[in-house]
Amino acid sequence: QKEVEQDPGPLSVPEGAIVSLNCTYSNSAFQYFMWYRQYSRKGPELLMYTYSSGNKEDGRFTAQVDKSSKYISLFIRDSQPSDSATYLCAMSEETSGSRLTFGEGTQLTVNP
Amino acid sequence: DTAVSQTPKYLVTQMGNDKSIKCEQNLGHDTMYWYKQDSKKFLKIMFSYNNKELIINETVPNRFSPKSPDKAHLNLHINSLELGDSAVYFCASSPIPWTGNSPLHFGNGTRLTVT
Repeated sequence: QKEVEQDPGPLSVPEGAIVSLNCTYSNSAFQYFMWYRQYSRKGPELLMYTYSSGNKEDGRFTAQVDKSSKYISLFIRDSQPSDSATYLCAMSEETSGSRLTFGEGTQLTVNP
Repeated sequence: DTAVSQTPKYLVTQMGNDKSIKCEQNLGHDTMYWYKQDSKKFLKIMFSYNNKELIINETVPNRFSPKSPDKAHLNLHINSLELGDSAVYFCASSPIPWTGNSPLHFGNGTRLTVT
């Protein structure tokens, strides 16, 4: 069983839709939770970062962490074609420093 | 002005060959990493160096040997390449061994194909 599970999709939505991306995990020691966005043929770039449980909002993006359910989400409001990319969740333990554990990514296409 | 740059971008080679991938970052970061992304987009850490010192060495075949001549450079040498080594290899950097508040900056990857 993988430490981090993420539905690979693909997910296709019309422009303007609300997108919900999710990851579940098994390691209760994870404390840091991130979402990376990866465009085709590019490296991942950090989109959102959350420490422990709670919500974080940045423009059209909202990240939620529910540690009791070991479940994290990324919501994209008013999705745009430029949001078309692969979204990877990543997480880390308090003391693991550099060691990030990634989900396998969800491929999202926003159709104009 | 690429922050983390890798060369080559594409690498096609035959089984049994030895090859190297180079990485340079101009961000002034102390820590550099090698990640491997397989065909299913699954990213997994291989190595990490902090100021030229190896700090993470995951379960990777010893055919893979990283080298950091200085904190701005991290190279990856692969001996006796195998079909299963085909993947995209990403270099990344961060200001310090990642504490949770310092994002990883990734290069654009080296696509290795072993035939």
